Amino acid sequence: AQSVAQPEDQVNVAEGNPLTVKCTYSVSGNPYLFWYVQYPNRGLQFLLKYITGDNLVKGSYGFEAEFNKSQTSFHLKKPSALVSDSALYFCAVRDKATGGFKTIFGAGTRLFVKA
Amino acid sequence: EAGVAQSPRYKIIEKRQSVAFWCNPISGHATLYWYQQILGQGPKLLIQFQNNGVVDDSQLPKDRFSAERLKGVDSTLKIQPAKLEDSAVYLCASSLDVVNTGELFFGEGSRLTVL
Repeated sequence: AQSVAQPEDQVNVAEGNPLTVKCTYSVSGNPYLFWYVQYPNRGLQFLLKYITGDNLVKGSYGFEAEFNKSQTSFHLKKPSALVSDSALYFCAVRDKATGGFKTIFGAGTRLFVKA
Repeated sequence: EAGVAQSPRYKIIEKRQSVAFWCNPISGHATLYWYQQILGQGPKLLIQFQNNGVVDDSQLPKDRFSAERLKGVDSTLKIQPAKLEDSAVYLCASSLDVVNTGELFFGEGSRLTVL
């Protein structure tokens, strides 16, 4: 069965510093990996995805993520954090399930960026 | 392009009452999802439709929850009777196709409080 883990409930970083939000996954086949962001009282917004190809994928708002097959990880990164990046971040994995592809979400990591 | 529309945004009911949520996906999106997001947790898939057929409803509590997607467009999620533990945000999402590698597009959610 597929699963995704976000080991940190919260990440704190100072504005201007690099940030990393961690994600590990488990799937039976080839993973399709996603990151979403959720602002207060809003739905989830897509940030970036890994399907195949280059292990480093770039997404919205300057975010990027690195796919590491040997470590089964897909960590979200940004070189320089902004206060406006403060939000809830979800890693998601899609694997083929009965009848089609099911997207499973991690529990989320809250990012606080301090000015 | 119009996004995923959901209503109502907020609903407060007493336990054992019933409630219904409505979702209108992005035009042309064949796949529609209902997720339950309990405070502090990641979204949990309740049911997934491909056009007007059910792809996955393995985590839908069928004794009290029901969902339909008539004509393969709009969808309604119903809870009857509600329990205290049903308090959550109900997120509707859509995607172009169940087999594709694209992202999910989420509505802003319907927040349910059961007293």
